[in-house]
Amino acid sequence: EAGVAQSPRYKIIEKRQSVAFWCNPISGHATLYWYQQILGQGPKLLIQFQNNGVVDDSQLPKDRFSAERLKGVDSTLKIQPAKLEDSAVYLCASSLEPGQGSWSTFGSGTRLTVV
Amino acid sequence: AQKITQTQPGMFVQEKEAVTLDCTYDTSDPSYGLFWYKQPSSGEMIFLIYQGSYDQQNATEGRYSLNFQKARKSANLVISASQLGDSAMYFCAMREGVTNAGKSTFGDGTTLTVKP
Repeated sequence: EAGVAQSPRYKIIEKRQSVAFWCNPISGHATLYWYQQILGQGPKLLIQFQNNGVVDDSQLPKDRFSAERLKGVDSTLKIQPAKLEDSAVYLCASSLEPGQGSWSTFGSGTRLTVV
Repeated sequence: AQKITQTQPGMFVQEKEAVTLDCTYDTSDPSYGLFWYKQPSSGEMIFLIYQGSYDQQNATEGRYSLNFQKARKSANLVISASQLGDSAMYFCAMREGVTNAGKSTFGDGTTLTVKP
């Protein structure tokens, strides 16, 4: 089966600019996650969707980050305006439901550098 | 609040030997799942093994096994017969609740280097 697709692979922007990332999960996976991974740290969950509804966005900086998952399939994550501390790898993942043991399949990530 | 602690920033192991990567967790939810992922230098996270909080036996997947000690809240990953390709970052993660809709938390990882 095809994996989780993410684009772009790399992005360099200046602070205060906006940027958007795209994710297409594995077909049939109802749950979609966006993580932020700062260099040297583990992934931090930004937002979790179940189909097209938000399950958890408690760690999403809502003043500058937004995400949507239209039609319960692919998703976009936007940052506007970007700050230097947003430099990180943004990982998208998806998993089947139901089942606690349903592991996540990750995409290759988007490496964002804010200068 | 959930918390995952991986106390070993870096580990070295000789090829063909076994290695244990430590993970302790903290949660007030009686239902939770514990996961280990591998992240090679390419960046993609790869699922390795899962253990549910109510599972009576330790999980095993090929050369990977999970040493689950519920009372101590530890979920250590054991890699047997290490290979050069095992060199990577390893992350312990936890999801609380009975479905996959629970919040996921990752530790900060352990870098494993396998020496020839």
